[in-house]
Amino acid sequence: DSGVTQTPKHLITATGQRVTLRCSPRSGDLSVYWYQQSLDQGLQFLIQYYNGEERAKGNILERFSAQQFPDLHSELNLSSLELGDSALYFCASSVGPGTNQPQHFGDGTRLSIL
Amino acid sequence: AQRVTQPEKLLSVFKGAPVELKCNYSYSGSPELFWYVQYSRQRLQLLLRHISRESIKGFTADLNKGETSFHLKKPFAQEEDSAMYYCALSGVTGGGNKLTFGTGTQLKVEL
Repeated sequence: DSGVTQTPKHLITATGQRVTLRCSPRSGDLSVYWYQQSLDQGLQFLIQYYNGEERAKGNILERFSAQQFPDLHSELNLSSLELGDSALYFCASSVGPGTNQPQHFGDGTRLSIL
Repeated sequence: AQRVTQPEKLLSVFKGAPVELKCNYSYSGSPELFWYVQYSRQRLQLLLRHISRESIKGFTADLNKGETSFHLKKPFAQEEDSAMYYCALSGVTGGGNKLTFGTGTQLKVEL
């Protein structure tokens, strides 16, 4: 158990819909990251937050947004969903924002778009 | 730019044989490298980080800056080692940092 909690574990929805994925970091970790894992793109970095502030953005679509709340949990919002958004979405957390901080991953949310 | 290359999609070895999973990287700064393991598309588990130089589950990895490599090795493969292994580079991006993953190597240990 990494200590990173993601809910829900599975989500099945239709094209055009909007979903929210939730992540609670390990106790004491201030930095949260979101990654997408798909069969064709592999593991791709989406976005990083540190202590409530956005720190880095990767290949995140404009239809996607995220935030980190004062209690340090984070939410990833995906809207106008398309079939290609079907993927495993991972949240990871680390103590600080630096590159030498190991990131610990949650179990992921499996999103299926029908 | 940050890039991680894992040249083998699949590596099949017999139980008790040595294992080497290759990883090469490209990064202009000082690299921070990690190995993660994923069983059956579940959670990514941190296996090793280059800075700690420790051995986890019998696996070791040495950073070779001259060859820009961070290969993962184990002298004797076990059945329970069968999994997907990802090499990852932690690098600066914007005002923060991110992990750049290789495409992964599926290790299959056969009896």
